[in-house]
Amino acid sequence: DGGITQSPKYLFRKEGQNVTLSCEQNLNHDAMYWYRQDPGQGLRLIYYSQIVNDFQKGDIAEGYSVSREKKESFPLTVTSAQKNPTAFYLCASSIDQLGRETQYFGPGTRLLVL
Amino acid sequence: KQEVTQIPAALSVPEGENLVLNCSFTDSAIYNLQWFRQDPGKGLTSLLLIQSSQREQTSGRLNASLDKSSGRSTLYIAASQPGDSATYLCASNDYKLSFGAGTTVTVRA
Repeated sequence: DGGITQSPKYLFRKEGQNVTLSCEQNLNHDAMYWYRQDPGQGLRLIYYSQIVNDFQKGDIAEGYSVSREKKESFPLTVTSAQKNPTAFYLCASSIDQLGRETQYFGPGTRLLVL
Repeated sequence: KQEVTQIPAALSVPEGENLVLNCSFTDSAIYNLQWFRQDPGKGLTSLLLIQSSQREQTSGRLNASLDKSSGRSTLYIAASQPGDSATYLCASNDYKLSFGAGTTVTVRA
């Protein structure tokens, strides 16, 4: 059963703590993306990766970091430098490295600050 | 920078009525325009993708039109059902998706 999985569904972060959100896909897609969604706003691109071992900053990369060591995995770390991390985080993938084809989304992770 | 706007922000209609959702974008140099559906607390599901060379795309009760010159796309949902209740997002694609804030639709039984 092909798709994108994100874990955990809910994540709580304490002040000064780094947390990592998991994203795995078994669609054999080259490109992967991380978005942030805030209430009443559209999705904003954090980071994207067109190929293994390569990634690019999106519009709001400050306070976040990523890695792409395997084709199927694209974890996102929310660092302590991100002062307003409470949001819904969505991971997506696309078969096309250039992003011309549709993106398939995971179920999301909701991050809350304690 | 591409700006994508969706109006109205929310819409409530009785079952059976046709839905018209609007999307506008500021830069017409796009590769394609995509429509997604999002249920509360869930990820996005792709509905339709219109290439920049196309004027419209259809899937079942859904039809989306694209007018690049005026920077507009419209999603039509025929004979709405309660199951159509969700948030609908449009996204312009210039090799990077730029999303609107969405239109939240409620279909009353």
